Parts: sequence; structure tokens; C-alpha cells
Amino acid sequence: DAKTTQPPSMDCAEGRAANLPCNHSTISGNEYVYWYRQIHSQGPQYIIHGLKNNETNEMASLIITEDRKSSTLILPHATLRDTAVYYCIVRTLLGGYQKVTFGTGTKLQVIP
Amino acid sequence: GAVVSQHPSRVICKSGTSVKIECRSLDFQATTMFWYRQFPKQSLMLMATSNEGSKATYEQGVEKDKFLINHASLTLSTLTVTSAHPEDSSFYICSARDGDSGNTIYFGEGSWLTVV
Repeated sequence: DAKTTQPPSMDCAEGRAANLPCNHSTISGNEYVYWYRQIHSQGPQYIIHGLKNNETNEMASLIITEDRKSSTLILPHATLRDTAVYYCIVRTLLGGYQKVTFGTGTKLQVIP
Repeated sequence: GAVVSQHPSRVICKSGTSVKIECRSLDFQATTMFWYRQFPKQSLMLMATSNEGSKATYEQGVEKDKFLINHASLTLSTLTVTSAHPEDSSFYICSARDGDSGNTIYFGEGSWLTVV
């Protein structure tokens, strides 16, 4: 499995863009980068995923470097409800199964 | 996005009894489902992967006879905690793979288990 590294915590002012980095230097060519977030005491929520092109949806943008060794999740206008733990995950294939394993994530605190 | 539902959301059981948690994919068929547990202030830990119609694959250190997983249909997987003990108290989360939406994996709301 490709490992991911994220800063343990970040603060962001409400209304500003939140940029959450993730390193995945051992990612292989057919592995996608997925982002999820977990608000306290809830199941993780899917945000966005990508392979090598930048992606954008109604929740966020995902910027993947050309060498694919790192990525950044961008919440363009953070709100208090975006306070959560954000997980960057690289999907793996193992014996026909697809495992999703979680690292420690980044705890984002949006400050009023 | 696709919806995955877990039931019950909270359950309290007595030590020594068994408890079953259900995980349903509501608007898609899920050939693969995953079960996690999460202790307070910790990340999710993968317990097992199950494919419809076959035996679950358990992660190292997870007792398959204690955590029984059944994936009998494309929309339902169950986790049964047998002979529960207080140390089994945790947040249990399931997820399901939606093969029709680029294999994105969606998570349930989680189930809080308290063993007294």
C-alpha cells in the first residue's frame, strides 16, 4: 500500500481557503488519490478523488502534482461546518479486493 | 452521492451477549463492503473486507470467530460481535464500494457499541 503523510492539524479562518496537503511519494501508476472527511462521531464523508488531473466538484478542488507524489485538497471558502478530520487515501488493489486504509489525517479547525 | 445506512446507530448490550450491526447500500449494489472500528481520538482501523457470497478477509489481529461478517446480498452486510466484552465498546463503521460510480467507496453513519 502506498502510505500517505498529512500534517496532524491545521487552522483556517472562516471564509478563507483551506489548503490541506498530502504526501504519497510511493504511489503507483494506477492508484487514485481519495479524500474523505470525518466530522465528530459520524462516518467518513467522500469529498473528491483523482488520478493525475486536477479535479473540482461542489465541495472542493484537488490538485495533484505532475509527479503524483503529493496533492492538495482545497476548500475554497471554509465554513465552521468544515471543521473535521480530513483523510487522504490512496486506493490499493490486493488479490482482487480494494482496501481502504486510513492514516491519522489532518484535523482542520475553522476559526470564526 | 450514494447512501450507505447502518443500523442500529447506538446499541448497549450486556457483557457476554452478541450484537448484530447491519450495513445497507440503499441506492446501489455493493459487491465489496468493509468494516472498521474506531476508538476515541484514533483513526479508523480496517477490520475486514467482504465480498458478496464469499467469506470475509480479516485483517491481521482481528478475530474472525468473534467478529462474524456476513455479506449475503449485494445490498446488505452484517457484523456480529459475539460474546461481547467491555473492551469491544467502540464505534463501528461500514463502507461499500459503488462499482457504477468509478468504484468510489461510501461510508455508513457508524454504530456506537457500548458493552456493560
